Amino acid sequence: AQKVTQAQTEISVVEKEDVTLDCVYETRDTTYYLFWYKQPPSGELVFLIRRNSFDEQNEISGRYSWNFQKSTSSFNFTITASQVVDSAVYFCALSESNDYKLSFGAGTTVTVRA
Amino acid sequence: DVKVTQSSRYLVKRTGEKVFLECVQDMDHENMFWYRQDPGLGLRLIYFSYDVKMKEKGDIPEGYSVSREKKERFSLILESASTNQTSMYLCASSFTGGHSPLHFGNGTRLTVT
Repeated sequence: AQKVTQAQTEISVVEKEDVTLDCVYETRDTTYYLFWYKQPPSGELVFLIRRNSFDEQNEISGRYSWNFQKSTSSFNFTITASQVVDSAVYFCALSESNDYKLSFGAGTTVTVRA
Repeated sequence: DVKVTQSSRYLVKRTGEKVFLECVQDMDHENMFWYRQDPGLGLRLIYFSYDVKMKEKGDIPEGYSVSREKKERFSLILESASTNQTSMYLCASSFTGGHSPLHFGNGTRLTVT
């Protein structure tokens, strides 16, 4: 069974603050993939990152960074120095290696106020 | 850039109507998916297809069917729309393999009255 939990429903910050989005997953598979997607107000989900279960290196892309910890089954996402354009719903998702299906968490709505 | 196009942005239908939601992708992706998005529930998979004329049930297939006659087109059908099918419907496509990122359309917001 797959399960992705995003415990934070909504987060509101002031511009330039850092914000961390939590994602906890469950799977019995040893090979799996984790994803983050962004859904801005326009509605189209945009792929941000994919990480496989054998690569625990943290990743940084501009103001975005991801912390993958298998020991705690977490794949957290941090936006540094947030901007208004970061306002969106962010989804964490999981798929197993031999499965076409992507299981999504409930999403976290981030609001960045000017 | 991959383009996934959903035929309607907004739809309003009456209870009992047969509803067709159309999705077309232009990148020759093998896999296509239909999700519905509801507040607090995230995205839930309705159906997916990994090849022409092939389909697999997702987590919530009841009340829905799909059709994939051509590789680029994946249709979601509500045989007899009900009010609990009021939702945002998202189509996505990807290359073969569960690890391939999904590319999403803009969504169709369906209201059933």
